[in-house]
Amino acid sequence: KNQVEQSPQSLIILEGKNCTLQCNYTVSPFSNLRWYKQDTGRGPVSLTIMTFSENTKSNGRYTATLDADTKQSSLHITASQLSDSASYICVVKPSYDKVIFGPGTSLSVIP
Amino acid sequence: DTAVSQTPKYLVTQMGNDKSIKCEQNLGHDTMYWYKQDSKKFLKIMFSYNNKELIINETVPNRFSPKSPDKAHLNLHINSLELGDSAVYFCASSLGTSSRYNEQFFGPGTRLTVL
Repeated sequence: KNQVEQSPQSLIILEGKNCTLQCNYTVSPFSNLRWYKQDTGRGPVSLTIMTFSENTKSNGRYTATLDADTKQSSLHITASQLSDSASYICVVKPSYDKVIFGPGTSLSVIP
Repeated sequence: DTAVSQTPKYLVTQMGNDKSIKCEQNLGHDTMYWYKQDSKKFLKIMFSYNNKELIINETVPNRFSPKSPDKAHLNLHINSLELGDSAVYFCASSLGTSSRYNEQFFGPGTRLTVL
């Protein structure tokens, strides 16, 4: 069964610190993986997309990695800011089916 | 502004009423979606339309009926509202359904509260 799991469920970090969010999936065949950021009271926004052949991709202070062999992805946030407080959702696209959403990780950055 | 818009943003209503939520996108996308996000923040797909044709219809009570008058609009009508329908409903759109075009652009959400 195609599934997407994320950890931790929630995370609190101090402003300026780094953090890493994890996404594990059991989707096959795999097409791509996206990380979305959802600010409170708003809809999710795509941060980055990872395809099978990509290992690392950066978008400013956000760096996503993908290990297609172990079916794991991570989202690393560098030098966190208060505006990084949000839910981060991992979304995996199987080749021949609709996208599958993970449950999200709720990140709180405190001063 | 190019975007996905939803109306209303907030909807408070009594149990048993019928209500509609409207969604419009001016991105020129072919595919539109309705999601329900519950109190645990999990996004669950309800319906998807591609070029006005229903392509995804998850296990949703038949009190929920989507309608797509054209590619740019996807409305959601809910009959006989129940307490469990309280949630945030998101509309989204994407260029298409293939892997290459599956980035979804979300509306701001409609917070439905059933009393």
